[in-house]
Amino acid sequence: NAGVTQTPKFRILKIGQSMTLQCTQDMNHNYMYWYRQDPGMGLKLIYYSVGAGITDKGEVPNGYNVSRSTTEDFPLRLELAAPSQTSVYFCASSYPHETQYFGPGTRLLVL
Amino acid sequence: QQPVQSPQAVILREGEDAVINCSSSKALYSVHWYRQKHGEAPVFLMILLKGGEQKGHEKISASFNEKKQQSSLYLTASQLSYSGTYFCGTLMNYGGSQGNLIFGKGTKLSVKP
Repeated sequence: NAGVTQTPKFRILKIGQSMTLQCTQDMNHNYMYWYRQDPGMGLKLIYYSVGAGITDKGEVPNGYNVSRSTTEDFPLRLELAAPSQTSVYFCASSYPHETQYFGPGTRLLVL
Repeated sequence: QQPVQSPQAVILREGEDAVINCSSSKALYSVHWYRQKHGEAPVFLMILLKGGEQKGHEKISASFNEKKQQSSLYLTASQLSYSGTYFCGTLMNYGGSQGNLIFGKGTKLSVKP
């Protein structure tokens, strides 16, 4: 049981570049989430999904897109990277309203 | 909507106790507590549900006052391994798009030898 895995672990992007952050879970959880965490701050919800084919915006969705074609995968897409998107990104999964299990995170630096 | 945690930071000696508080201005269905060590992902500690049910570690205790919309995490006889940032996440409604955790800004706990 790998739990929640994220790739890459670290990435440097130039302003305007695009990338996809990958997230996979093997716990058969319906709910999946993407958070960002800025230095010294709490977690802010970007997007979430309650099942394959269903996604919705969280607190800070601007500049990001998601898709959920399978139960296991929930990729996060950054279309035009901006310095304000420099952050640590965590993916998480859970049963409805239960414990959230977090992936190890992706550190993104936009220069 | 973001819950307010207090204190923002606390320094303890090994063996001392600490209390971390989490307050919301909205009625809560549940409160979730997580601990995050530097450079790592948050790790689940405990869930407190409306009605008094608790799920979590045996060695960590917490309370949930539904009327006051407050939760407290009690760390007793602290160990070096307790160091980290503690986050509370509050769930206001059960079901649908309202069922997402909103996290506080965290309480940084440092335990010294």
